[in-house]
Amino acid sequence: AQTVTQSQPEMSVQEAETVTLSCTYDTSESDYYLFWYKQPPSRQMILVIRQEAYKQQNATENRFSVNFQKAAKSFSLKISDSQLGDAAMYFCAYRLPHGGGSEKLVFGKGTKLTVNP
Amino acid sequence: DAGVIQSPRHEVTEMGQEVTLRCKPISGHNSLFWYRQTMMRGLELLIYFNNNVPIDDSGMPEDRFSAKMPNASFSTLKIQPSEPRDSAVYFCASSFASRRASTDTQYFGPGTRLTVL
Repeated sequence: AQTVTQSQPEMSVQEAETVTLSCTYDTSESDYYLFWYKQPPSRQMILVIRQEAYKQQNATENRFSVNFQKAAKSFSLKISDSQLGDAAMYFCAYRLPHGGGSEKLVFGKGTKLTVNP
Repeated sequence: DAGVIQSPRHEVTEMGQEVTLRCKPISGHNSLFWYRQTMMRGLELLIYFNNNVPIDDSGMPEDRFSAKMPNASFSTLKIQPSEPRDSAVYFCASSFASRRASTDTQYFGPGTRLTVL
């Protein structure tokens, strides 16, 4: 069974600084997707960034980027120029593509990010 | 475009009562997912549908839980009878199942916070 591990229950960063959140996963599949979701206190789950395993290029979305190391099964999230609005729980998630098996998202336990002014 | 709509946003009930949670997916999406979030177990899939057909219900805890999707624009999750351990946030998510991650991404509703006394 696929598992996702986030080893940092909590992280903090100064406003305008850069922070990296860690995520590792376990799978025997070669084709899959990886995601980072953000959950602010409003509890809404918001997609931050996604990565397709067959793509070697790391995904980027404005201030958010990932370091995808397929062989190491590592998928870290880097937030640059941190803003107060980035404070939230961040969840790493894995899933198989359509037609590859169950399409459920498998989530890590989350990392609570605090941004200090 | 309206996102995923869930109702009610909050539900407080007494043990033994029937609870029905509702979800309207994003128009045009053909997959619908029910997740549950608790402190102890994190985010877990309960069940998901593709083209209104249940595909993976391995996360449904027991016979007290049932889910239906009578048409492409509506789904219900019912708990009967409810128990205090069912207290959690229940999320509905939808996606357009395809082989392209750019479209085959799950978008979440705001969740229903259920409290069973």
